[in-house]
Amino acid sequence: DAGVIQSPRHEVTEMGQEVTLRCKPISGHDYLFWYRQTMMRGLELLIYFNNNVPIDDSGMPEDRFSAKMPNASFSTLKIQPSEPRDSAVYFCASSQTRGTGANVLTFGAGSRLTVL
Amino acid sequence: EDQVTQSPEALRLQEGESSSLNCSYTVSGLRGLFWYRQDPGKGPEFLFTLYSAGEEKEKERLKATLTKKESFLHITAPKPEDSATYLCADQGGSEKLVFGKGTKLTVNP
Repeated sequence: DAGVIQSPRHEVTEMGQEVTLRCKPISGHDYLFWYRQTMMRGLELLIYFNNNVPIDDSGMPEDRFSAKMPNASFSTLKIQPSEPRDSAVYFCASSQTRGTGANVLTFGAGSRLTVL
Repeated sequence: EDQVTQSPEALRLQEGESSSLNCSYTVSGLRGLFWYRQDPGKGPEFLFTLYSAGEEKEKERLKATLTKKESFLHITAPKPEDSATYLCADQGGSEKLVFGKGTKLTVNP
């Protein structure tokens, strides 16, 4: 398997523009997570899905952020309008339900977003 | 609120100089304590899962241990290629992982 695939790897945009980040999870994984990483706050969970259904979106900063998972092989994170404080690395991760109850996440390489 | 705290924030070692990284967690009903390694420009890479106090796991020069409120990542005789940021995370009653801010390890030759 090619692992979790994210695109774009780098995005530079201007304040007010719409940004769409994309993720393809590992085939057969039933959980998908979106995290944001900054120096100040570390890795923060934004939202996660189980079987394409959003389970917990309490980490989504505000209404400017939205996430969708239309099918098991694709998810998007959209920011509209973008602001400079949204600059961060956004990671997608996926996992498979295990009998142990512990959830081992596999991360993508991340999308580095810079909002000018 | 579930919190994961890692210390130190940064650690510089000479090659061969052993040390330990600390991770303290507050979640009740721990389902798993995780260690990940992150190299610059890459996503976190899974190292270990620990499930209960007293458990230990090893991989090459790394050994992870777990107590009721802390985990330690022991690095024995490190090499420059062990330089990375090491992240700790816990999992409680849901499927989400809460991460600490990490310890940036630099091993000088």
